[in-house]
Amino acid sequence: EVQLVQSGAEVKKPGESLRISCKASGYIFSTSWIGWVRQMPGKGLEWMGFIYPSDSDTRYSPSFQGQVTISADKSISTASLQWSSLEASDTAMYYCVRHGGGQRLDSWGQGTLVTVSS
Amino acid sequence: QSVLTQPPSVSAAPGQKVTISCSGSSSNIGSNYVSWYQQLPGTAPKLLVYDNNKRPSGIPDRCSGSKSGTSATLGITGLQTGDEADYYCGTWDSSLSAVVFGGGTKLTVL
Repeated sequence: EVQLVQSGAEVKKPGESLRISCKASGYIFSTSWIGWVRQMPGKGLEWMGFIYPSDSDTRYSPSFQGQVTISADKSISTASLQWSSLEASDTAMYYCVRHGGGQRLDSWGQGTLVTVSS
Repeated sequence: QSVLTQPPSVSAAPGQKVTISCSGSSSNIGSNYVSWYQQLPGTAPKLLVYDNNKRPSGIPDRCSGSKSGTSATLGITGLQTGDEADYYCGTWDSSLSAVVFGGGTKLTVL
């Protein structure tokens, strides 16, 4: 069974950095794209980007290019999403997702709530 | 403003059927597979339909998907109160090189 287990909720101040993680199990981590989806409070889903762990090929949605960094560590089957300087507008739930064929998002993590407030 | 267009809400009585539409363009729905996701209150989304009309294991055949041109439709029959959720369509957009979603449709089972 595919499982994506995300790190816990975070409360940060504007300007701080942050890395959240997603540990995968139940499949060969290196051979599936793994990505991130943002859901702001009371809003819909927004795809941020994804990475192919085998060669670290990383693609970003135009809306998130330059705003975040996606990475993956094959040795521990873990993907990460990183901010260098958080803003209040980064407050949201973040889901890691496994990409299946046809770009379906066939497995979802439980979500990590990030709250940015002074 | 979402790239794909869905109605904000739909409703129907228990046991009835409901359809949710998803409209896009030639660069997304028109040339790529469509998926549908169900998000129950307070939970992560779950894949409901993929490749336009296929169901993952464990998804009942009360759920079905179809696609025609640049539009797709999700159908749910035999509605139950447990079907109350937000539903999202999603696909790849070849112009944006990104996964795009509809704005979501809230299903109420009256």
